[in-house]
Amino acid sequence: DARVTQTPRHKVTEMGQEVTMRCQPILGHNTVFWYRQTMMQGLELLAYFRNRAPLDDSGMPKDRFSAEMPDATLATLKIQPSEPRDSAVYFCASGLATGRPIPQHFGDGTRLSIL
Amino acid sequence: TQLLEQSPQFLSIQEGENLTVYCNSSSVFSSLQWYRQEPGEGPVLLVTVVTGGEVKKLKRLTFQFGDARKDSSLHITAAQPGDTGLYLCAGASNTGNQFYFGTGTSLTVIP
Repeated sequence: DARVTQTPRHKVTEMGQEVTMRCQPILGHNTVFWYRQTMMQGLELLAYFRNRAPLDDSGMPKDRFSAEMPDATLATLKIQPSEPRDSAVYFCASGLATGRPIPQHFGDGTRLSIL
Repeated sequence: TQLLEQSPQFLSIQEGENLTVYCNSSSVFSSLQWYRQEPGEGPVLLVTVVTGGEVKKLKRLTFQFGDARKDSSLHITAAQPGDTGLYLCAGASNTGNQFYFGTGTSLTVIP
């Protein structure tokens, strides 16, 4: 079965460092979502793309987070500078928008710890 | 933010028992999805309901969308240990592009 691939699976770094998380969506999917999951807030939508164009990134702290899709096979989420409160599991999901609603296929996440 | 409250938050039952998980909101959603998530993995889509009052069955799981499309329920018959996991509901915005996830129900089925 086709899967969404996220790298790295785990990342531990010190506050102030830049963090880059990568996602390879399922081939042929035209929509990519970035989520953050914490115990306190649950799953929160950070941003999503359609055909590589950002449609909404209102869920992201603009001053330190950025999301891009350099090409159809790669989505990136960057945090610079990172802070301890950014510690969470970050999920990427992809889907094919042919009508509503979009079935989302999730990767297994990047577990991020900022010390 | 459109808040989706799930209840109960935690549920521990014996194998063979029945259970119902609820997903409630004051907002109307164009559709609603249910996911199951296991530790260390991403959520996996179980079902999507679109029409108010719609009922869908997936083996021992029955999903219902409320008539007003503000709430949903998931009923599991004769629970098995393999049903253990975090159940999440997600409501879609009118555009169908944005999804608001519920607070989650952690289910443990004891053999």
